[in-house]
Amino acid sequence: DAGVTQSPTHLIKTRGQHVTLRCSPISGHKSVSWYQQVLGQGPQFIFQYYEKEERGRGNFPDRFSARQFPNYSSELNVNALLLGDSALYLCASSSQLQGGRYNEQFFGPGTRLTVL
Amino acid sequence: QKEVEQDPGPLSVPEGAIVSLNCTYSNSAFQYFMWYRQYSRKGPELLMYTYSSGNKEDGRFTAQVDKSSKYISLFIRDSQPSDSATYLCATYTGRRALTFGSGTRLQVQP
Repeated sequence: DAGVTQSPTHLIKTRGQHVTLRCSPISGHKSVSWYQQVLGQGPQFIFQYYEKEERGRGNFPDRFSARQFPNYSSELNVNALLLGDSALYLCASSSQLQGGRYNEQFFGPGTRLTVL
Repeated sequence: QKEVEQDPGPLSVPEGAIVSLNCTYSNSAFQYFMWYRQYSRKGPELLMYTYSSGNKEDGRFTAQVDKSSKYISLFIRDSQPSDSATYLCATYTGRRALTFGSGTRLQVQP
């Protein structure tokens, strides 16, 4: 079975540009979460989507937005890129919404974004 | 205070050594604790997952949670060069997301 897939693998942008990152969850998984991992740090939560609705948001500016499609794939959009947005962007899928009990999240390989 | 704190290392050990990786967490209400392994330029993969306190063993790996001291540990026995990676502890805070430590980079020397 295919795991979580993300595209593109690498991306180079300049300050002020916009970027769209894509994620396909494991088949049958309805929940997608996005994380940002700056070099030398652990991943930081950006968003969770379940059944096409935003169900959780981390402490990121409004320049970050996301959506989930009817097939449960997801896009992360970042506007007005800053140098500090350079990071590995990870997508994780799980079969259930993260609520009171934890449901295992499976991570994709990530998209490495470099902002020049 | 960060919710999860982890010594970034790096930690270098000879092949066959026992490795101890540790994290502390801030909130005694946290119940779910995970250890992820992340190879260079890859996504994290779940190694161990424990609920509440106690030990959990899986092959060469043992995860331990001490709720009285808010301390979580991962032990690797008979370490191998293929264990060289960054190890991330994480907890689920109930707010839809995992909260990770900063990761400890481990190098196992042949």
